[in-house]
Amino acid sequence: GAVVSQHPSRVICKSGTSVKIECRSLDFQATTMFWYRQFPKQSLMLMATSNEGSKATYEQGVEKDKFLINHASLTLSTLTVTSAHPEDSSFYICSAPRREYAYEQYFGPGTRLTVT
Amino acid sequence: GQQLNQSPQSMFIQEGEDVSMNCTSSSIFNTWLWYKQDPGEGPVLLIALYKAGELTSNGRLTAQFGITRKDSFLNISASIPSDVGIYFCAGQYGGSQGNLIFGKGTKLSVKP
Repeated sequence: GAVVSQHPSRVICKSGTSVKIECRSLDFQATTMFWYRQFPKQSLMLMATSNEGSKATYEQGVEKDKFLINHASLTLSTLTVTSAHPEDSSFYICSAPRREYAYEQYFGPGTRLTVT
Repeated sequence: GQQLNQSPQSMFIQEGEDVSMNCTSSSIFNTWLWYKQDPGEGPVLLIALYKAGELTSNGRLTAQFGITRKDSFLNISASIPSDVGIYFCAGQYGGSQGNLIFGKGTKLSVKP
């Protein structure tokens, strides 16, 4: 099956610093990837759509200057949380639709961000 | 905005029992997907449905795309302890690479 990886799986950072999270599609190309945020015991909330070669599309209420997205290649999208604060602590998950499988979306294993 | 209502919110069942959960939407979706998420992991795709009325099985799992395109159900037969987890439905709209709208999840607990 399709594999999507994320790195790092866990990260702890201090307030005010920036953190970069990578999402890679390992065995397929993805012109579009999605970034989600999940709070404990809650569902996934879409943050933004990452588009290869163009600007990301952000959902309402998501600050684009705070959550920088770069879709550098057909297999890599990065999410940078800038000037992180404790309220940014969350579980961040990416997904990528696979064209060969009718664009079914496959999710990465997630990144646990803790801001102290 | 589009909303998905998923029920039940949680289930406590005995091993061997069958399980049923469903999702309803205020809008029509092109695709329905069912995922399972274990703690600290990303969701894993279980079943994808593409056509109204479609009934699809994956081992002990069976899911159907409602004829109105506004609902879907997932059944698990003869549950086992490893079925424990949170099950999410998701509706996809906006074309083949459109984003997903997730239900709030059904937490399944299985007692051996």
